[in-house]
Amino acid sequence: DQQVKQNSPSLSVQEGRISILNCDYTNSMFDYFLWYKKYPAEGPTFLISISSIKDKNEDGRFTVFLNKSAKHLSLHIVPSQPGDSAVYFCAASSQGAQKLVFGQGTRLTINP
Amino acid sequence: EAQVTQNPRYLITVTGKKLTVTCSQNMNHEYMSWYRQDPGLGLRQIYYSMNVEVTDKGDVPEGYKVSRKEKRNFPLILESPSPNQTSLYFCASRLTGGETQYFGPGTRLLVL
Repeated sequence: DQQVKQNSPSLSVQEGRISILNCDYTNSMFDYFLWYKKYPAEGPTFLISISSIKDKNEDGRFTVFLNKSAKHLSLHIVPSQPGDSAVYFCAASSQGAQKLVFGQGTRLTINP
Repeated sequence: EAQVTQNPRYLITVTGKKLTVTCSQNMNHEYMSWYRQDPGLGLRQIYYSMNVEVTDKGDVPEGYKVSRKEKRNFPLILESPSPNQTSLYFCASRLTGGETQYFGPGTRLLVL
């Protein structure tokens, strides 16, 4: 049972445009959400997070939106740059739980 | 430099030959965890540890053992590896109460 789903295995975006990565979850107990970025041959690195008490969090070119009623979050990257090409994982946790639940990942390719 | 290290980075072994993957962190984090990454499944937690001598099962613990004798080290032990344990393994750590986990570079294991 996949509690966190990223339904797009891959996404291709032109440099300078907006990249939108989506993530859906089923567990209503999740109250903290994170995005990780992963380059080949490296471990995932933390990118941005959002608490369930917010619906938006922004950090430079990266913005995460949370829609609790739809159990949906998205990551916006504006403008997209070639260095953003990587696999992006959505992850969720609930208070008291000792793990992150990850989605399957979306491979983002930024084309020049 | 604050980091999580794993060794070896790559390992090819045969069914039934015991192996250990080491993990070490220099950030004085209490919490450590092991994940495996498989295509289409994202990262799944194997075991985690809240502190020295405190370990617990994650979502996919079968066939694995861990120990936490020192705060900085959290080795993953495969007593009798099988081909279905061929995967990419990540160690991670964080502070107690923190949400952001810091990942090692990964260990790619092939069991023949």
